[in-house]
Amino acid sequence: GAGVSQSPSNKVTEKGKDVELRCDPISGHTALYWYRQRLGQGLEFLIYFQGNSAPDKSGLPSDRFSAERTGESVSTLTIQRTQQEDSAVYLCASSLGNGIYNEQFFGPGTRLTVL
Amino acid sequence: TQLLEQSPQFLSIQEGENLTVYCNSSSVFSSLQWYRQEPGEGPVLLVTVVTGGEVKKLKRLTFQFGDARKDSSLHITAAQTGDTGLYLCAGAGGSNYKLTFGKGTLLTVNP
Repeated sequence: GAGVSQSPSNKVTEKGKDVELRCDPISGHTALYWYRQRLGQGLEFLIYFQGNSAPDKSGLPSDRFSAERTGESVSTLTIQRTQQEDSAVYLCASSLGNGIYNEQFFGPGTRLTVL
Repeated sequence: TQLLEQSPQFLSIQEGENLTVYCNSSSVFSSLQWYRQEPGEGPVLLVTVVTGGEVKKLKRLTFQFGDARKDSSLHITAAQTGDTGLYLCAGAGGSNYKLTFGKGTLLTVNP
């Protein structure tokens, strides 16, 4: 498809386990973003990739969170030793990266539930 | 830290009514975007406004950017049930890649 895709769509895990969330951006989009959306809240910025580099990781909540991007395409967000407060929808977005308006296109999200 | 406040947080109206939602900040943004998010989906971009005082129309939706580029409004005329969703505003500041999102306005249009 032409849009941003994310997998899995839903993930239920036990406290203390590690999880990996995947994002496939729109082909040709050099910029990629991860956000977290808690129930009833807006989008919380986590990390920004330009190509395979992450010039801004300032939104990652703790060292349990990490992300990588390869081939200027797929990105994986990893959460180690999950905690209940990690439960949220994790959204990925991509953009052309060279536009002055930074119009971002979002995937459907991964709903993470930590029991 | 740039913050965007949206109001109202919740809005429930009847089909055919008009409504306005607001997005306010004490910070200046280089551009501001409005998104609509439906349950189980990611936000979808509706419009980007970049010039102070700018007005953009998208069918029954009218978007305005404040003269000082600190605030914006979204007006919907003759709301339809299909307009139901979470409306989010997002501002781009000096670092244009980074968007600051408001918490959103959850709109319910009842038949």
